Amino acid sequence: GAGVSQTPSNKVTEKGKYVELRCDPISGHTALYWYRQSLGQGPEFLIYFQGTGAADDSGLPNDRFFAVRPEGSVSTLKIQRTERGDSAVYLCASSLVGTDTQYFGPGTRLTVL
Amino acid sequence: TQLLEQSPQFLSIQEGENLTVYCNSSSVFSSLQWYRQEPGEGPVLLVTVVTGGEVKKLKRLTFQFGDARKDSSLHITAAQPGDTGLYLCAVIQGAQKLVFGQGTRLTINP
Repeated sequence: GAGVSQTPSNKVTEKGKYVELRCDPISGHTALYWYRQSLGQGPEFLIYFQGTGAADDSGLPNDRFFAVRPEGSVSTLKIQRTERGDSAVYLCASSLVGTDTQYFGPGTRLTVL
Repeated sequence: TQLLEQSPQFLSIQEGENLTVYCNSSSVFSSLQWYRQEPGEGPVLLVTVVTGGEVKKLKRLTFQFGDARKDSSLHITAAQPGDTGLYLCAVIQGAQKLVFGQGTRLTINP
């Protein structure tokens, strides 16, 4: 596909469960970002990957959140022991290194019951 | 405290009217971006402004960066229903992360 894809598009889970959210960036984009968007708010930065490594994870709210990008392409955001406050749309974006344009995927809407 | 304050938070107007939305801060930025986000989609970059006082036009949309590079405005002329969406301003902080305002939710009624 030409754009950033995210799966699943919707995820409903119960409090305390573990979830994984997947992001497929645009081919050739070495920079990948995760953001979280709560209802009525702008997206908030979570983590930035340059290649396989997390260059900036300062936005991860606590140690229940973890993200990986083992081969420098697909990334997975992992949330342990989910809480109701984790309910939000999780957005992924990718970009070419050295450019200011980030291309966003459609997001995964996470609902924690 | 938000780094970027957007106003108004909500705006609903009739097709054909003009409107202006604002993005304000007490900080100085080297550049500022505007995005539009439609329901069920991610934000899409509309424009990047980099020079104080800069004006950029995108069809019926006019973007201005303040002289002091602390604020920006988006003016839409003769609004169309297709302009409906969430308009977000953002700045790049640190290496590459975007910091967004809370957005202006715009509804254009036919």
